[in-house]
Amino acid sequence: GDSVTQMEGPVTLSEEAFLTINCTYTATGYPSLFWYVQYPGEGLQLLLKATKADDKGSNKGFEATYRKETTSFHLEKGSVQVSDSAVYFCALSRGAQKLVFGQGTRLTINP
Amino acid sequence: DAGVIQSPRHEVTEMGQEVTLRCKLISGHNSLFWYRQTMMRGLELLIYFNNNVPIDDSGMPEDRFSAKMPNASFSTLKIQPSEPRDSAVYFCASRLDSNTEAFFGQGTRLTVV
Repeated sequence: GDSVTQMEGPVTLSEEAFLTINCTYTATGYPSLFWYVQYPGEGLQLLLKATKADDKGSNKGFEATYRKETTSFHLEKGSVQVSDSAVYFCALSRGAQKLVFGQGTRLTINP
Repeated sequence: DAGVIQSPRHEVTEMGQEVTLRCKLISGHNSLFWYRQTMMRGLELLIYFNNNVPIDDSGMPEDRFSAKMPNASFSTLKIQPSEPRDSAVYFCASRLDSNTEAFFGQGTRLTVV
């Protein structure tokens, strides 16, 4: 079945560092891909999405490119802030099928 | 729209009691997901509805758990009888249609003592 594998955490960086969180997926066809963020005590919020190969999703300085050839959707940000500390989830959706989430990556940014 | 609304936000109950969690979907959305989140097991899908019909309930732990959609905009998740291992944060999420993003509620933190 469909699955998503994320880079294991926790990840700890200093402020202004470059961030990459790896995400790869297994699915037939052409799923839509998503990154969600969960701040402490809150629900998941959509961060960005891409619906077809080579699309780049971007929001709040974060970017991810849908790579069909490597079945990847890595999350990147050029300069992280303390306020980016959260748990990040990669997810896919294919047609009318359920949303499939990765296990989540906890990110901590130190001042 | 106020988004996906869950109630209650917090629930503390004694083992053996019945617990009902509630979720109001975003107007016009036709898919609903119930998830459970714990530190040990992460985010687990319990059940998924499409157009009020349960499509996949393979994640429902056992017969003590049941979920319904009495109408297109509302869902309940019931646990009867509750057990301490059911303690978790329960989220519902809705989406407009396939391939669109899901919107999550703020969650219900359930503690069974």
